Amino acid sequence: LAKTTQPISMDSYEGQEVNITCSHNNIATNDYITWYQQFPSQGPRFIIQGYKTKVTNEVASLFIPADRKSSTLSLPRVSLSDTAVYYCLVGDLWSGGSYIPTFGRGTSLIVHP
Amino acid sequence: NAGVTQTPKFQVLKTGQSMTLQCAQDMNHNSMYWYRQDPGMGLRLIYYSASEGTTDKGEVPNGYNVSRLNKREFSLRLESAAPSQTSVYFCASSEEQGDRELFFGEGSRLTVL
Repeated sequence: LAKTTQPISMDSYEGQEVNITCSHNNIATNDYITWYQQFPSQGPRFIIQGYKTKVTNEVASLFIPADRKSSTLSLPRVSLSDTAVYYCLVGDLWSGGSYIPTFGRGTSLIVHP
Repeated sequence: NAGVTQTPKFQVLKTGQSMTLQCAQDMNHNSMYWYRQDPGMGLRLIYYSASEGTTDKGEVPNGYNVSRLNKREFSLRLESAAPSQTSVYFCASSEEQGDRELFFGEGSRLTVL
């Protein structure tokens, strides 16, 4: 299985920028890096995806260096409502021939007042 | 537009009992997935269906069966529940096999005594 490594937990304060870094040394050449957010008692929610360089949307930015062995999710000016688990995903090729995102353990982000 | 709907949301079973978790999506997606989430383990893929009429095993298929009833519905069956199957189960869908953006249901919390 393709493996990702990210910190188990992080703490921040309201208004700060939070950067969560993920390593994925074995990412396939044609694979994307995808990040999900999960609130307690809810299913994960897609937030951003990228292949290389930088991607930005209304929620976050994603930075991917040229070697693509890592990526950084950046959350600008976090609020209490950003407290969640954040998953970095790369794909795995399953026996049926399908390429499916594989979840790791995620990073639990706690934002303090 | 409900997205992905799972039933039931909560269930308590005794060891050896059987049950079926139901999942339906109204987004006309071709691919559907079942994951389980255990504390500290992230989400693990149980089975997936790349398209109507096909199903394939994921990372942890033992003790489960699935049925892709039609394009909308993908059910997960536990034939003889075991305490190790106590978990939160998530159904997800994506437009096509290989898409990195999955849409998740709210989860079904199953306890096996």
